Amino acid sequence: IQLTQSPSSLSASVGDRVTITCRASQGISSYLAWYQQKPGKAPKLLIYAASTLQSGVPSRFSGSGSGTDFTLTISSLQPEDFATYYCQQLNSYPHTFGQGTKLEIK
Amino acid sequence: EVQLVQSGAEVKKPGESLKISCKGSGYSFTSYWIGWVRQMPGKGLEWMGIIYPGDSDTRYSPSFQGQVTISADKSISTAYLQWSSLKASDTAMYYCALRYSSSWYDYWGQGTLVTVSS
Repeated sequence: IQLTQSPSSLSASVGDRVTITCRASQGISSYLAWYQQKPGKAPKLLIYAASTLQSGVPSRFSGSGSGTDFTLTISSLQPEDFATYYCQQLNSYPHTFGQGTKLEIK
Repeated sequence: EVQLVQSGAEVKKPGESLKISCKGSGYSFTSYWIGWVRQMPGKGLEWMGIIYPGDSDTRYSPSFQGQVTISADKSISTAYLQWSSLKASDTAMYYCALRYSSSWYDYWGQGTLVTVSS
């Protein structure tokens, strides 16, 4: 299963609302996770099962979708949110990742 | 506290073998899947494979099947990723990740940087 994220990169300002899309090449129900990765750090799980917020993750992050189309939304960007975001499907092996979306400061 | 601690950075020559490790603590090591993820310099995340230490059931990505071996030693709560003959293209950061709560990859090791250069 291939995952295609869009956009590949995004420039935004603090306070902006941002949406990142992940499209699967075939249906994956809700077996989708979103991660945040900062330079030199391991990925951090933000959302699992497409829309469930991982414990400790700020509520400005939200996820939606099922089947083939998914979105990650950050309602009001904070300075610490500038990072690269990845989606991952766990519907079937291999547990593929999207190619990533780099979120940069405008 | 659940933790995954990976072995330190490695510098190797092409053709050499290597085994890196990921030690789990704070949970029942044999009851949860541990996966391995590659990140080449400046690139995205690639899922390599996964092992269930309880019975050593292992699954590989087709991209990595035959290129690496994933194993685990229950007696010391450690998972491994190994190469028999490294290539320059194996230069990357390698992460282990635990499918713990709700079977999602919610705990990650700090990463092991592998550099292969002549």
